[in-house]
Amino acid sequence: EAAVTQSPRNKVAVTGGKVTLSCNQTNNHNNMYWYRQDTGHGLRLIHYSYGAGSTEKGDIPDGYKASRPSQENFSLILELATPSQTSVYFCASAGTANSDYTFGSGTRLLVI
Amino acid sequence: GQQVQQSPASLVLQEGENAELQCNFSSTATQLQWFYQSPGGSLVSLLSNPSGTKHTGRLTSTTVTKERRSSLHISSSQTTDSGTYLCAIESGGNYKPTFGKGTSLVVHP
Repeated sequence: EAAVTQSPRNKVAVTGGKVTLSCNQTNNHNNMYWYRQDTGHGLRLIHYSYGAGSTEKGDIPDGYKASRPSQENFSLILELATPSQTSVYFCASAGTANSDYTFGSGTRLLVI
Repeated sequence: GQQVQQSPASLVLQEGENAELQCNFSSTATQLQWFYQSPGGSLVSLLSNPSGTKHTGRLTSTTVTKERRSSLHISSSQTTDSGTYLCAIESGGNYKPTFGKGTSLVVHP
């Protein structure tokens, strides 16, 4: 069954540390996305990708980097984590015309 | 940029009642989708409807493109329908969706 898998499910990081969130999809979708979800803000787009080797800035990219080394994998990197980056992060993939969105289960990140 | 407003912010129903959720957006939509987020947090796509009317099960979505609005009708609500319903819009074919803040639905038995 096609799926989007995120790891880790939960993460506690220290301020100033590096955090990498991973996402793997078996849908063979070209488009992949990273969102964060916070109370009062809904889902906000951080970075996205149209395919292997491409990354694009979303609406709130500051403090985040992204990497798409292959069709299947899309990572979100926090080089210097801050407490304001405490959130729930969702990865998603989508295919042609973005009509078949699939979300991962989310990663809860706590930066202390 | 694209603005997406969902209403009502919350809705409480008795099982068997119908629900009507609204999504209004500021720019022409090339893609519009409705999502369901469970109380546990998982997100699933319900349907894609950039224009016209679509049905799936107890769900009916009607999008009026010129008026920049879409609705999601849930008939004969069930307790398992409780959760948050999100609307997402893409403009200009850029595959960059903007989400509304959602409607929280609670269905009591």
